[in-house]
Amino acid sequence: DIQMTQSPSTLSASVGDRVTITCRASQSISSWLAWYQQKPGKAPKLLIYKASSLESGVPSRFSGSGSGTEFTLTISSLQPDDFATYYCQQYSPFTFGPGTKVDIK
Amino acid sequence: QITLKESGPTLVKPTQTLTLTCTFSGFSLSTSGVGVGWIRQPPGKALEWLALIYWNDDKRYSPSLKSRLTITKDTSKNQVVLTMTNMDPVDTATYYCAHTLVSYYYYGMDVWGQGTTVTVSS
Repeated sequence: DIQMTQSPSTLSASVGDRVTITCRASQSISSWLAWYQQKPGKAPKLLIYKASSLESGVPSRFSGSGSGTEFTLTISSLQPDDFATYYCQQYSPFTFGPGTKVDIK
Repeated sequence: QITLKESGPTLVKPTQTLTLTCTFSGFSLSTSGVGVGWIRQPPGKALEWLALIYWNDDKRYSPSLKSRLTITKDTSKNQVVLTMTNMDPVDTATYYCAHTLVSYYYYGMDVWGQGTTVTVSS
């Protein structure tokens, strides 16, 4: 089975910071990767699909890159609404990474 | 507008079978590429994908839970049902269903239900 890892597990940042989260797959998954944002008590929200395609309605400060086994989610300028937990997910099986919590520095 | 809503018991006893229903609107599960998945999240823990059913009745299961899960669809009722056997307290979680689209690419799980909380306790 393909395993997903994320780093860091927790990230402390300030408003305006550039934030990068890394997701790694144990074997190549091409570009079959999605990123989600989840806030406490809420369902996850899709941010990125196909590794780098921005979901409709998602602010352009979010971007995704990578292919194969290493992927990144970047927030170009962290906003107050962005403090949340972020998960990557591969396709088939639809395994999620362990999550990265972005909190206030 | 696509919506999904989970329903089922809030409390089950250990060893019992859990049956959850996802009732959706705004799309048809007979449309090529469409799928509905189930995902759970124990309190304070990460998301865990459980199962997914496609428009063509192709079914996928989490390898670690495959022996306990069954996913079915009723296209006429716009429902997807997940059953999980032999429930244990570690299965206490919020259970979500979500819409997905897979064609040449995987388009992610773009619309989620609000989730339903299931507690396993005697």
